[in-house]
Amino acid sequence: QKEVEQDPGPLSVPEGAIVSLNCTYSNSAFQYFMWYRQYSRKGPELLMYTYSSGNKEDGRFTAQVDKSSKYISLFIRDSQPSDSATYLCAMPSTDSWGKLQFGAGTQVVVTP
Amino acid sequence: NAGVTQTPKFQVLKTGQSMTLQCAQDMNHNSMYWYRQDPGMGLRLIYYSASEGTTDKGEVPNGYNVSRLNKREFSLRLESAAPSQTSVYFCASSVRQHNTGELFFGEGSRLTVL
Repeated sequence: QKEVEQDPGPLSVPEGAIVSLNCTYSNSAFQYFMWYRQYSRKGPELLMYTYSSGNKEDGRFTAQVDKSSKYISLFIRDSQPSDSATYLCAMPSTDSWGKLQFGAGTQVVVTP
Repeated sequence: NAGVTQTPKFQVLKTGQSMTLQCAQDMNHNSMYWYRQDPGMGLRLIYYSASEGTTDKGEVPNGYNVSRLNKREFSLRLESAAPSQTSVYFCASSVRQHNTGELFFGEGSRLTVL
């Protein structure tokens, strides 16, 4: 069983809708939680990161962490066609922060 | 501002052939990584180099070797390619090994092994 699970989608939404993405994880020692965005045929880029539990907001993006449920979420408000990408959750391994454990990624398609 | 540069971008190999994927970063980062990405599997760490002169195995190191040539360059070698190594390979770098997880990725090298 993978340490980080993520539904691969695809998730198709109309422009302007709220996109809801989530990951579950099994290692309760994880403290940092990241979301990377990957456009087609490009490398991933860091979108947001949060520490421990709680919410973090950055423009149209909100990241939530529920450590009691081992569940993290990313919400995209007022979605745009330019948000069409694959979103990957990631957590640093407990033995080395440089070694990230990635989810499989969820493909999001925002239709005009 | 190039960031992380990978070469080649595409490669087709026959089973048993060898090749080296090259990676260079111009951000003066200490740590560098090689990941592979397969459908449904996400990104999996092959090898990493916490600093110049050191390399360590990641989650899926079998069939690969690496060389940290200098602070800028980190190469990945397939000595005898197998169809199971068909994948997209990403090189990444970070300021240092212990950070908040921000890796800077290259655009990927797409490898097909026939």
